[in-house]
Amino acid sequence: AQTVTQSQPEMSVQEAETVTLSCTYDTSESDYYLFWYKQPPSRQMILVIRQEAYKQQNATENRFSVNFQKAAKSFSLKISDSQLGDAAMYFCAYRSAVTGGTSYGKLTFGQGTILTVHP
Amino acid sequence: DAGVIQSPRHEVTEMGQEVTLRCKPISGHDYLFWYRQTMMRGLELLIYFNNNVPIDDSGMPEDRFSAKMPNASFSTLKIQPSEPRDSAVYFCASSLTGRYGYTFGSGTRLTVV
Repeated sequence: AQTVTQSQPEMSVQEAETVTLSCTYDTSESDYYLFWYKQPPSRQMILVIRQEAYKQQNATENRFSVNFQKAAKSFSLKISDSQLGDAAMYFCAYRSAVTGGTSYGKLTFGQGTILTVHP
Repeated sequence: DAGVIQSPRHEVTEMGQEVTLRCKPISGHDYLFWYRQTMMRGLELLIYFNNNVPIDDSGMPEDRFSAKMPNASFSTLKIQPSEPRDSAVYFCASSLTGRYGYTFGSGTRLTVV
């Protein structure tokens, strides 16, 4: 079974600065997807960024980018120019892309990292 | 597109009562998932459906929990009888094929007293 580990229960950053959230995962599969979700106090789960394992290029979405290290099974999220609205719980998640496998379709989440942004 | 719609947003019930949570997925999505979120256990997958058929219900904690998807546009999660330890936020999510991130509903906060 796949597992996702976020080793930082809490992180903080000053407004306008950069912060990196860590995530590692364990899998024996070669084809999968990785995601970062944001959950603000409203509790809505919002997709921040997605990475396909077969792509070597790191995904970017405006101020959000990832550092995907497939061999190390590491998937960190970098938030640049942090804003007060970035304050939230961030979840790293794994989804198998192996069609027909028992895990196909399932999204496995890490425990989350609470990000605080200081003005 | 209205997104994934869950109802009710909040539910407070007494121990022993039946609780039914409802979900309307995004039209055209072929996967539907029910998750439970608690402080202690984080986000847990309870059950998921593909084309209205339950694929994996190994996360359903007890026989008190049941889920149905009678058609492509509606699913329910029922707890009978409810217990205080069932208090949590329950999310429904839907997805198209197996290759994209989910779209989540806004969740139902269940409190069992």
